[in-house]
Amino acid sequence: DAGVIQSPRHEVTEMGQEVTLRCKPISGHNSLFWYRQTMMRGLELLIYFNNNVPIDDSGMPEDRFSAKMPNASFSTLKIQPSEPRDSAVYFCASILSQTAINPNYGYTFGSGTRLTVV
Amino acid sequence: EDQVTQSPEALRLQEGESSSLNCSYTVSGLRGLFWYRQDPGKGPEFLFTLYSAGEEKEKERLKATLTKKESFLHITAPKPEDSATYLCAVRAPGANNLFFGTGTRLTVIP
Repeated sequence: DAGVIQSPRHEVTEMGQEVTLRCKPISGHNSLFWYRQTMMRGLELLIYFNNNVPIDDSGMPEDRFSAKMPNASFSTLKIQPSEPRDSAVYFCASILSQTAINPNYGYTFGSGTRLTVV
Repeated sequence: EDQVTQSPEALRLQEGESSSLNCSYTVSGLRGLFWYRQDPGKGPEFLFTLYSAGEEKEKERLKATLTKKESFLHITAPKPEDSATYLCAVRAPGANNLFFGTGTRLTVIP
């Protein structure tokens, strides 16, 4: 099991540029979550998908952010145009929703993408 | 509004000095309280899930407990490798996502 795979690990971009972050969930997991982590606000949910369908995107900061999940094994988070205040670590997590209430299972997180917008 | 508050923000312990981390929550109809460990430059790593008041879980030097208003993560005789940020999260009713606290940064000094 390779775990949740995110790419790139680090991204440095100039203000105004488009940024695309990628996530491959654990095979067989049907719920996928995008979180953003900053020192000031900690981990915040941006959006989550269930069976590839967006369920809750209320955490997406504004129209500059968009997320897609074209199939069960891939999701993207896009920021266009990027701004310095978007600098943060972006995490993807996945779980098999039927096990979400199983006390032995937790949501599995990727290693994150550290985004710096200058 | 659902809230998760962790304390203290930071904790320094001598190796072998036991202590507890606190997570207080205000969620109606809790559907799970989760503890995660996060090392620098890495994603959160799952430790425990607790569902009902009175429940306890243990893993090596860590023990998590749950009441109706808070959870404690007890660390017994910590070692330097226990140094990390410990995150608490809750899953609210009708939701599949986790709502996180801001964490406790633990440093264990040899």
